[in-house]
Amino acid sequence: EAGVAQSPRYKIIEKRQSVAFWCNPISGHATLYWYQQILGQGPKLLIQFQNNGVVDDSQLPKDRFSAERLKGVDSTLKIQPAKLEDSAVYLCASTRTEGYNEQFFGPGTRLTVL
Amino acid sequence: AQKITQTQPGMFVQEKEAVTLDCTYDTSDQSYGLFWYKQPSSGEMIFLIYQGSYDEQNATEGRYSLNFQKARKSANLVISASQLGDSAMYFCAMRELLQGAQKLVFGQGTRLTINP
Repeated sequence: EAGVAQSPRYKIIEKRQSVAFWCNPISGHATLYWYQQILGQGPKLLIQFQNNGVVDDSQLPKDRFSAERLKGVDSTLKIQPAKLEDSAVYLCASTRTEGYNEQFFGPGTRLTVL
Repeated sequence: AQKITQTQPGMFVQEKEAVTLDCTYDTSDQSYGLFWYKQPSSGEMIFLIYQGSYDEQNATEGRYSLNFQKARKSANLVISASQLGDSAMYFCAMRELLQGAQKLVFGQGTRLTINP
């Protein structure tokens, strides 16, 4: 079974530019999560999808961050415009159903904003 | 809101020794779940072990065991016979239920270094 795929693995941009990250969850996994992990901290949930619907986006900075999962499979997370404090690793995770099942994480995208 | 505390920023252990990573939590929920994840330098989060609040026995997975003390609200990870490949960041996390949605709340992590 293929794992959670993310691209790109690394991205360097200047502040005020825009950037997009892509995630393809494990086949059949209905729930998809995007996390932000700032250096030296644990991951923080940004947004959670159940199929193509948003379940929780309470910690997503909606003035600059957006995410979609149009067909209930892969997902994109966008930042526009980026700020210096957005430098972090962005992790995507998925589970079969919403529950206490362990979340399977992708390798992450390391974003550096200069 | 739920909270996870990991008080050890870094741990150094000799190869083959056992190591305990501390985790305390705060919640008013009766039903909750606790997870441990490993994050090597490659960045991927690897699930290690899960403990449900109603589980009567401590969870075990190979060399990993969870020392669950409900009254003290602690869920320490024990790694037996440590190996060089165990060097990584370790995160404790709690499943939080909010408005019908379940999400994980992570602690700050502990960096474990295994010395040969």
